[in-house]
Formats: sequence, structure tokens, C-alpha cells
Amino acid sequence: SQQGEEDPQALSIQEGENATMNCSYKTSINNLQWYRQNSGRGLVHLILIRSNEREKHSGRLRVTLDTSKKSSSLLITASRAADTASYFCAPHAGKSTFGDGTTLTVKP
Amino acid sequence: DAGVIQSPRHEVTEMGQEVTLRCKPISGHNSLFWYRQTMMRGLELLIYFNNNVPIDDSGMPEDRFSAKMPNASFSTLKIQPSEPRDSAVYFCASSLGESTGELFFGEGSRLTVL
Repeated sequence: SQQGEEDPQALSIQEGENATMNCSYKTSINNLQWYRQNSGRGLVHLILIRSNEREKHSGRLRVTLDTSKKSSSLLITASRAADTASYFCAPHAGKSTFGDGTTLTVKP
Repeated sequence: DAGVIQSPRHEVTEMGQEVTLRCKPISGHNSLFWYRQTMMRGLELLIYFNNNVPIDDSGMPEDRFSAKMPNASFSTLKIQPSEPRDSAVYFCASSLGESTGELFFGEGSRLTVL
């Protein structure tokens, strides 16, 4: 299964700090995606990085991908209280499966 | 664009009853996915369709679950008979295609089976 495994399970930081979440997977992928889920809502796509890319930026988000280590990281810079959510990685090869996510709490 | 539309948003039913969850994908998307989310098991892929054809139903828990996609704009997930352990939030998601992968999720249907 190409299901991603996120680490840490939970992360609590102060507003303004950076948050880093990691993802590991086991099989070859076409791309890897990160999603956010606010409590009681559906998942929202954040960013997609292709297997031939090493780094990608989108606003305050920075994603890296190391296919040799089968790992990815998501960095959220200058975090805000509104970033409080669960974050999931989804390694993709035909279909997307999800791990348990990282629950991020940003304290004002 | 209205996004992926799911109904009902909440359903409370009694054990043994039939439950039908509905999904309208984003127009033009040709892949549709059904997921189930619980605290214990996380987010599980149940089944996905490509061009209205079921491609992988290996995640469907048992014969009580069935899914159909009669046309490009509608899908159903049916549970018959329902059991308390089926209580979960069921999400539908659509995408432009398997190779693209970016999923657009609905807001989910929260099912409680008493």
C-alpha cells in the first residue's frame, strides 16, 4: 500500500512559529499531495509535488520530497491560529490513501 | 462551481435499516472516490470509479456495502442492513483523473447507527 504515515501525530505551537510535519510511504509514486482537514469538514487539497520534483512552494507552505528515502515534509511558516487542523499526506499512484494525519494546534 | 455535493449531511438510523448516501461530483471530473472516516480506523478508501466504472472496491468492508455510479454526475453508497459499527463520516471525492490525483472532497455524511 502507498498509504502515507504522518509524523508527529500531534503538534502544538505558538502563533508565528513554524510547523513541520513529515510523511513516509512505502511504494513508488506519481506524486504526493498534502491535505488539510478542519474539524467537522472535508479534506482540502493544499499542494501537490510530482515525483520528479524535490521542493515546491505555495504561499506559506513549503513541501519537500525525497523519493530515495520515500519521505516528504510540509513546512508551514509564520503559523496562524487558523492553521489549526489535521494535515494528511497522500502518496499517489492511481489512487490516494491516507494515514492518520498530524493534528496541528496553533495557540494565539 | 458548487464543489462535490453530498447528502444527507447527517443521518441517524436504527440497526438493520437500509442507508443510502448520495454524491454529486464536480462536473467534468471522471474519477469518484468513497472514503470512510472513524477515530479508530482513520480515513479508509472504500471504492473508486473511473468513467463510471468501479476500478477498485477492495476497501468495501463486506457485502452489506454496495456502491453504484449510474452516470457521470451521481453516485450512491448503500449499506443494507446497517450496523452500529458502520457509524462514521462518509466522504465522497472527485478528481479529473487517476493520474492527476488531486481530490476534491465533499463535506461528508455523518452516519449514526443506533
